[in-house]
Amino acid sequence: AQSVSQHNHHVILSEAASLELGCNYSYGGTVNLFWYVQYPGQHLQLLLKYFSGDPLVKGIKGFEAEFIKSKFSFNLRKPSVQWSDTAEYFCAVNAMDFGNEKLTFGTGTRLTIIP
Amino acid sequence: EAGVAQSPRYKIIEKRQSVAFWCNPISGHATLYWYQQILGQGPKLLIQFQNNGVVDDSQLPKDRFSAERLKGVDSTLKIQPAKLEDSAVYLCASTSGRGLETQYFGPGTRLLVL
Repeated sequence: AQSVSQHNHHVILSEAASLELGCNYSYGGTVNLFWYVQYPGQHLQLLLKYFSGDPLVKGIKGFEAEFIKSKFSFNLRKPSVQWSDTAEYFCAVNAMDFGNEKLTFGTGTRLTIIP
Repeated sequence: EAGVAQSPRYKIIEKRQSVAFWCNPISGHATLYWYQQILGQGPKLLIQFQNNGVVDDSQLPKDRFSAERLKGVDSTLKIQPAKLEDSAVYLCASTSGRGLETQYFGPGTRLLVL
């Protein structure tokens, strides 16, 4: 079965700092990859997704992620964070070879931005 | 387009009591998911429906949890009897089920078992 690891449990940054959140998955076949964000008091929302093609994908609010197949990674980046980026971020994988749309989530990274 | 609706938003019960959660997916969405999110962890899939049929319930604790989607639209998830470790947020999500898609999540029901 597939699994997802997010090694950064809590990240604290100042505004305008650059961000990179790690995500690694364990599955040797075809995957679809997602980053979801959960702002305080709100429900999970899609930030960006990778299905195929260009491994560098851009999402909402200036976020981007790079799929590196050889490293089984899909790290999330943002060049300059804002206070409003304070939220919990979840990486998720859908192992396509099972022919079923089933997401496996990582444990999440809590991001705190200091004004 | 209206989002995924869930109720109640919060529920507090004592252990060994029963509880039920309700979910109404986005209109036209054939696939419905129930997740359990324990504090400090990511969502874990409990059960997946395609219309009114179960696709995957491999992680559903069937001795105490049950779920149904009788008419292929809204769904209920029940816990009977509840245990302390069932304290979590229960999330419902849906997709149209036509292929590679984004899951849309509801606001969740926060359950506290005392």
